Amino acid sequence: EIVLTQSPGTLSLSPGERATLSCRASQSVTSSFLAWYQQKPGQTPRLLIYAASSRATGIPDRFSGSGSGTDFTLTISRLEPEDFAVYYCQQYGTSPFTFGPGTKVDI
Amino acid sequence: EVQLVESGGGLVKPGGSLRLSCAASGFIFSGYSMNWVRQAPGKGLEWVSSISRSSDYIYQADSVKGRFTISRDNAKNSMYLQMNSLRAEDTAVYYCTRSPGVGTYYFDYWGQGTLVTVSS
Repeated sequence: EIVLTQSPGTLSLSPGERATLSCRASQSVTSSFLAWYQQKPGQTPRLLIYAASSRATGIPDRFSGSGSGTDFTLTISRLEPEDFAVYYCQQYGTSPFTFGPGTKVDI
Repeated sequence: EVQLVESGGGLVKPGGSLRLSCAASGFIFSGYSMNWVRQAPGKGLEWVSSISRSSDYIYQADSVKGRFTISRDNAKNSMYLQMNSLRAEDTAVYYCTRSPGVGTYYFDYWGQGTLVTVSS
């Protein structure tokens, strides 16, 4: 099983700042099959990024993904008030298709 | 508009069974792999099980192997999760999700979820 570790656990920032979230895999993720999701309190998760760097439909370009192998990054270039949420990475290259524990971005 | 509507959740005693359903609409159901993802109260996301378009491929988390069975009926645009031998740690909101790519199990649409509570 590929274990995903996300850091930091919590990121305290202000609107307008840049957020850099890390997702590290215990072994190489096949074909960079890594996705990122955003979940706000009381809401269902929303797909942001798939294939490590492809933005999902309707996702603003301030969200970007990068990385390969075992190290992946989600960057939010300038935080908007609506971006404060929990972010999860997920690998889907190898079953079981595991999620990371999440990074909370708060003010 | 893509819609995924889960049903069948509720309160069940440890060792009991429950069958979840997911009704899909707004897309060609038979053209997509489908999945169940769960989230325990106040916790993170946990992938549970996935099923390919024609049910040829089924994947399951180790935590549910031998207890949960995923299935689908393309004629009814529906997916199911039969859950047996339920444990307290199965308590969670169960989400029905869609995977947009062939053989790629990430999730582009999520239902609102159905709550399963396992307690005596």
